[in-house]
Amino acid sequence: DQQVKQNSPSLSVQEGRISILNCDYTNSMFDYFLWYKKYPAEGPTFLISISSIKDKNEDGRFTVFLNKSAKHLSLHIVPSQPGDSAVYFCASTTGNQFYFGTGTSLTVIP
Amino acid sequence: DGGITQSPKYLFRKEGQNVTLSCEQNLNHDAMYWYRQDPGQGLRLIYYSQIVNDFQKGDIAEGYSVSREKKESFPLTVTSAQKNPTAFYLCGSAGRLWGNTIYFGEGSWLTVV
Repeated sequence: DQQVKQNSPSLSVQEGRISILNCDYTNSMFDYFLWYKKYPAEGPTFLISISSIKDKNEDGRFTVFLNKSAKHLSLHIVPSQPGDSAVYFCASTTGNQFYFGTGTSLTVIP
Repeated sequence: DGGITQSPKYLFRKEGQNVTLSCEQNLNHDAMYWYRQDPGQGLRLIYYSQIVNDFQKGDIAEGYSVSREKKESFPLTVTSAQKNPTAFYLCGSAGRLWGNTIYFGEGSWLTVV
């Protein structure tokens, strides 16, 4: 059973606008959440994380929001750039294992 | 430079042959992981190891084997028992403290013909 879900397989956004990628999880024991960016035939690279004691974390153009009551997190990219075009994975962990969503393919249109 | 090295990047094998994918890390991480990614799908956990000489099965361990004789190394063997071995394989490592991040190597493409 998929414990981390990304229900939007793809997203297209104009350059300069905001990209919002969403992720839902089912396991209430998850206490740390991460976002990764992945290009084809490469390993995922870590973008940003958030712990369950926070509801927001920012790093430059990237902001992650966590809504624990809804078991939902989102990644905001502002402004979006063509180089942001990639597949984005969210992940959750209880410490021993990391659980990944199926990814959202973001295309930023110049 | 610190990081995770996977080799080979591309590998072709005939059906029925075992193949071993290498993963080495110099990040001094205790935990290491193997994931598989199929086209259009997410990352599925094959095996993970929290400490030397110990490892646990993930969600799709059938047809795979691993060893963890050294902290730095976590090789994955894809055996002939694996029904659909053609895939992109990712090795990752992480510290054991809470709030640690998993970092990945560049991946290995295995094609079985």
